[in-house]
Amino acid sequence: AQSVAQPEDQVNVAEGNPLTVKCTYSVSGNPYLFWYVQYPNRGLQFLLKYITGDNLVKGSYGFEAEFNKSQTSFHLKKPSALVSDSALYFCAVRERGSARQLTFGSGTQLTVLP
Amino acid sequence: ETGVTQTPRHLVMGMTNKKSLKCEQHLGHNAMYWYKQSAKKPLELMFVYNFKEQTENNSVPSRFSPECPNSSHLFLHLHTLQPEDSALYLCASSQDEGRGQPQHFGDGTRLSIL
Repeated sequence: AQSVAQPEDQVNVAEGNPLTVKCTYSVSGNPYLFWYVQYPNRGLQFLLKYITGDNLVKGSYGFEAEFNKSQTSFHLKKPSALVSDSALYFCAVRERGSARQLTFGSGTQLTVLP
Repeated sequence: ETGVTQTPRHLVMGMTNKKSLKCEQHLGHNAMYWYKQSAKKPLELMFVYNFKEQTENNSVPSRFSPECPNSSHLFLHLHTLQPEDSALYLCASSQDEGRGQPQHFGDGTRLSIL
């Protein structure tokens, strides 16, 4: 079985401050991990993915995420938040080699305050 | 522009109507997906097509009928829907169904059942 948890429904951060959106996962084997962002009235946009290799993954718009196997986490980070980063963020997991499809988290609403 | 276009963007229909949602991708992908996104709930995978063949039906009621005439087009035919079917319906595509390829989403059809 595979699952993903985003423990925070809402994250607020001041503009210019670093931001972190948390994600933990559970798979039987090795994971593929993804982050997506959704702006109002839009679909999900792909931000970054972890497949294998370097644990620090860099993605679009200055976002990065760190894969931590021992803590089964894949937290999304950005050094300096922008007001335009305010959106709904989804973490997703798929077990490598599994026939199962992507499992999405419930989403975290990020609000960056000016 | 995500390369995945969904029409219509908004649809209001009665419970006895028949309508169809359309999705077209211009990315040369081979896999296509239908998701349902309801407020306060995780993204729900409905159907998966790979090279025009349906590979997953996630226990979706028969009042939803998918059709995939080719790898670029995906339809969702709707009939005798229920009020709880009101949601945002998202189409996505990926290069193939596996190997950690990210999915690319359209902006969705907002469906309201009267």
